[in-house]
Amino acid sequence: ELKVEQNPLFLSMQEGKNYTIYCNYSTTSDRLYWYRQDPGKSLESLFVLLSNGAVKQEGRLMASLDTKARLSTLHITAAVHDLSATYFCAGSNAGNNRKLIWGLGTSLAVNP
Amino acid sequence: DTAVSQTPKYLVTQMGNDKSIKCEQNLGHDTMYWYKQDSKKFLKIMFSYNNKELIINETVPNRFSPKSPDKAHLNLHINSLELGDSAVYFCASSPWGGNSPLHFGNGTRLTVT
Repeated sequence: ELKVEQNPLFLSMQEGKNYTIYCNYSTTSDRLYWYRQDPGKSLESLFVLLSNGAVKQEGRLMASLDTKARLSTLHITAAVHDLSATYFCAGSNAGNNRKLIWGLGTSLAVNP
Repeated sequence: DTAVSQTPKYLVTQMGNDKSIKCEQNLGHDTMYWYKQDSKKFLKIMFSYNNKELIINETVPNRFSPKSPDKAHLNLHINSLELGDSAVYFCASSPWGGNSPLHFGNGTRLTVT
């Protein structure tokens, strides 16, 4: 069965710095999602990545997918405090039952 | 507002009680889900319904029973609540098939004392 591993699980960084969160998955995943969760809040979809080499950007966040390496990355550029949240990646086995397998989440704290 | 809404937002109850959480979506989606998020933020799928038909039924104690009266509603009933049931329960919805992301409700924080 598909397994999804994120690292790091905790990340403390300074404002203005760049960093990358990694999401490795164990078997073929036909799609890869990134979500954001603020403390005590719901989960918000950030990106959907479907094909090898896919890159999507929104503001200071950029996500990419390498299906050959079974790796997705979420790159943070010039971090700001508002990006402090927990970021989850999730993969999905082929098929239509939409069962997502979730990483454990990366808790990001951006400090002044 | 178009959304996934679940009630109640907070639920505090004693062990042994029975409780229900309700979920409704007005996004026109065919598929709805229940997820459990534990204190370490681990997300686990519990159930999924597509157009009132159960399609995902994970290894969940049979004290948990989902019910979908129509494709816009998915409720979760929990019998004989235990301390370990304390968690945040999220409802979500999505179109059937395709690659659209899940839309999550705001969660129900269940505390069993």
